[in-house]
Amino acid sequence: GQQLNQSPQSMFIQEGEDVSMNCTSSSIFNTWLWYKQEPGEGPVLLIALYKAGELTSNGRLTAQFGITRKDSFLNISASIPSDVGIYFCAGHEGGSEKLVFGKGMKLTVNP
Amino acid sequence: GAVVSQHPSRVICKSGTSVKIECRSLDFQATTMFWYRQFPKQSLMLMATSNEGSKATYEQGVEKDKFLINHASLTLSTLTVTSAHPEDSSFYICSARRDFGETQYFGPGTRLLVL
Repeated sequence: GQQLNQSPQSMFIQEGEDVSMNCTSSSIFNTWLWYKQEPGEGPVLLIALYKAGELTSNGRLTAQFGITRKDSFLNISASIPSDVGIYFCAGHEGGSEKLVFGKGMKLTVNP
Repeated sequence: GAVVSQHPSRVICKSGTSVKIECRSLDFQATTMFWYRQFPKQSLMLMATSNEGSKATYEQGVEKDKFLINHASLTLSTLTVTSAHPEDSSFYICSARRDFGETQYFGPGTRLLVL
């Protein structure tokens, strides 16, 4: 089935640096969601986007719903050690109720 | 935010036995619950969609007789892995949502190890 193309697959950064990641799809998505998953835990919703062009912030996190409705990005500013984890993009394709996930991006933050 | 719990958090069982995993929405009524499986270093893969009071809809390649799903109430869904085998060892995660189009909230997952 459909899977989102998420990049990069991993990043190693220094504390205080900014991080950017993105997701693309071959078809139109009605919603874009960004989740963070820590080892042994379920995904936790960070930001939800519902309209093309929408730009939403949650603390140091900012995400945008691409105007073509086929992409989204997530930025993390001034990273801190507790930002480590795996970040997944996900979305609803067309009118589907099913969530499609990206492969995830593993973030490592060096203090 | 909405809270979803899972029980147990981890389980070890012998090959051939059955294991039941519970998923509960603690502070809202969930018309739909979803069951996912996640292998190490991989993404979440949807197994089935469960609507309260009706039969679950399974994704292609998921055996419905092996992964029994019951959604008897608006706050509880169960996944039973029948006659478990080592290849069923995985991280099973449920999610729940109030209504169509609303956000899914995920449980903390259940780690299953079949020996």
